[in-house]
Amino acid sequence: KQEVTQIPAALSVPEGENLVLNCSFTDSAIYNLQWFRQDPGKGLTSLLLIQSSQREQTSGRLNASLDKSSGRSTLYIAASQPGDSATYLCAVRGDSSYKLIFGSGTRLLVRP
Amino acid sequence: ETGVTQTPRHLVMGMTNKKSLKCEQHLGHNAMYWYKQSAKKPLELMFVYSLEERVENNSVPSRFSPECPNSSHLFLHLHTLQPEDSALYLCASSQDRRTSGVYSYNEQFFGPGTRLTVL
Repeated sequence: KQEVTQIPAALSVPEGENLVLNCSFTDSAIYNLQWFRQDPGKGLTSLLLIQSSQREQTSGRLNASLDKSSGRSTLYIAASQPGDSATYLCAVRGDSSYKLIFGSGTRLLVRP
Repeated sequence: ETGVTQTPRHLVMGMTNKKSLKCEQHLGHNAMYWYKQSAKKPLELMFVYSLEERVENNSVPSRFSPECPNSSHLFLHLHTLQPEDSALYLCASSQDRRTSGVYSYNEQFFGPGTRLTVL
């Protein structure tokens, strides 16, 4: 059974700092991995999607990497801003599966 | 705006009420999903309609009943709910493909959610 873990559960950093959010999964047979952002009480915004054959994806100040063999993904945020404050969720999709398995998220606060 | 809309955004209902949540996607996708997000628990998939097939999570109580009349609309019918069903209910859609029996699953886009409170 696939399990997704995100560490840390919460993170507080000063503005301008580069930071890394971690996601680990127990079954390396994944189809793809998706990072989301969720603002309080709101829906999810897709940030990056990494297919199982890819090693990383970049969008603006965000870079996500994937190491299937070790069951890990990281989301790198460069030059963090207060507007980046949100909960970041990692989700994996198994081979030939409609189902996304989510982690519990990392709650990020970027202090001005 | 993500292209996936949900109504109502907030709903308060008693345990004996019957209500429905609505989701509409304007992205031309062919798969739609219902997720439940409870406090301090990871997002859980409830139901999915993909490529005209309904796949059901067996752990979902029968007091939740999905309906997908077409690829753009998805409903979640609620009846005799319990207070522990209070949560944020999220709808999502994606464009999935099936070629020679092989599925290709793509990025899921989420709606803003319906905050449900059961009294």
